[in-house]
Amino acid sequence: AQSVTQLGSHVSVSEGALVLLRCNYSSSVPPYLFWYVQYPNQGLQLLLKYTSAATLVKGINGFEAEFKKSETSFHLTKPSAHMSDAAEYFCAVSGAHAGKSTFGDGTTLTVKP
Amino acid sequence: EAGVAQSPRYKIIEKRQSVAFWCNPISGHATLYWYQQILGQGPKLLIQFQNNGVVDDSQLPKDRFSAERLKGVDSTLKIQPAKLEDSAVYLCASSLDQGVNTEAFFGQGTRLTVV
Repeated sequence: AQSVTQLGSHVSVSEGALVLLRCNYSSSVPPYLFWYVQYPNQGLQLLLKYTSAATLVKGINGFEAEFKKSETSFHLTKPSAHMSDAAEYFCAVSGAHAGKSTFGDGTTLTVKP
Repeated sequence: EAGVAQSPRYKIIEKRQSVAFWCNPISGHATLYWYQQILGQGPKLLIQFQNNGVVDDSQLPKDRFSAERLKGVDSTLKIQPAKLEDSAVYLCASSLDQGVNTEAFFGQGTRLTVV
């Protein structure tokens, strides 16, 4: 069985500040981990994924995430927030099939000018 | 490259009515998924197809939900009869195959409101 917990349903940062979105997972098999972004009335877009290669994963739009097995975490970061980063972010875990994922409940990121 | 197409974008029905959603995946994608996303929650997988065969429908409420993927391309998801708790966004996604290194692409979804 697999599950994901996203800590904080809402995160607010100022433009230019560090973005940190937290994700902890539980998996009985080696996990594959994903971060998706969802803009209003849009589908999900893949930001980055961890598939057992490098533990520090770089994605699109300047985001990155680090897989920490000891902490069962896969937190998403971005050094400097931009207004266009305001969206909902979902962490997901899967076994061997990328599309067959278990999602967290999401974190809404607000960026203040 | 065209993305995953879904229709309709919005649908409002009364409880106990039936409704159907349509999905056209990216050309050549063998794997197709239907997800249900209730407001305030993450997407939950309902069913996975590989070509025109069902791989996993363990989370599909089969007493009222059905899905098919004829000819291994387009797919429809049907709810009959609908309940208030079926109000959600229904997302379709497709990928080249089932491998973890193949990205799943999501459509914009169909927002269903049951009143």
